[in-house]
Amino acid sequence: KAGVTQTPRYLIKTRGQQVTLSCSPISGHRSVSWYQQTPGQGLQFLFEYFSETQRNKGNFPGRFSGRQFSNSRSEMNVSTLELGDSALYLCASSPRTSSDTQYFGPGTRLTVL
Amino acid sequence: QQQVKQSPQSLIVQKGGISIINCAYENTAFDYFPWYQQFPGKGPALLIAIRPDVSEKKEGRFTISFNKSAKQFSLHIMDSQPGDSATYFCAARARGSTLGRLYFGRGTQLTVWP
Repeated sequence: KAGVTQTPRYLIKTRGQQVTLSCSPISGHRSVSWYQQTPGQGLQFLFEYFSETQRNKGNFPGRFSGRQFSNSRSEMNVSTLELGDSALYLCASSPRTSSDTQYFGPGTRLTVL
Repeated sequence: QQQVKQSPQSLIVQKGGISIINCAYENTAFDYFPWYQQFPGKGPALLIAIRPDVSEKKEGRFTISFNKSAKQFSLHIMDSQPGDSATYFCAARARGSTLGRLYFGRGTQLTVWP
């Protein structure tokens, strides 16, 4: 099976712009979670989706949003970018069975100038 | 605040030695404790995980030790190899929470030199 795919892998934006990141989970996985990874804060949970519904949300401002499509692919959007949004954004998928395993993608490296 | 505290921040071990990374938590609702390994340019990959009903779990050279009363758990890497050089993260998830809601430690950068 192919792993979790994230596109694009690298992105450079300027302050005030908005960005959309995409995540394709492992085939058959219906749960998708997003994390932000920075040197200062480490890995922080953004949100989790299952069957097109947001099931959980981390402590991030409303500029961060996401959605999941019927094929389980997910997108996250960050509006009005700030310098502090520069980070590696990771997506993880899970089959949401008795398995606890989450499989992470390689991430999208976002740089805000 | 950081719900899972991880130490040390960096660790240098000689090939063949034992690498030990420690984590501590306060939230007694945590009932699932995974360890992830991350190589540069890659996403974290699950290494091994434990639940508090056991005190130790071993998979190959990797062992988790769990002390429920002290609210601490640790990763031991036996016979450390240069290929183990990576960043290691401990994490925790609360009972009743959704599957994807993990709280991560800040990470330990392990270097194993030949």
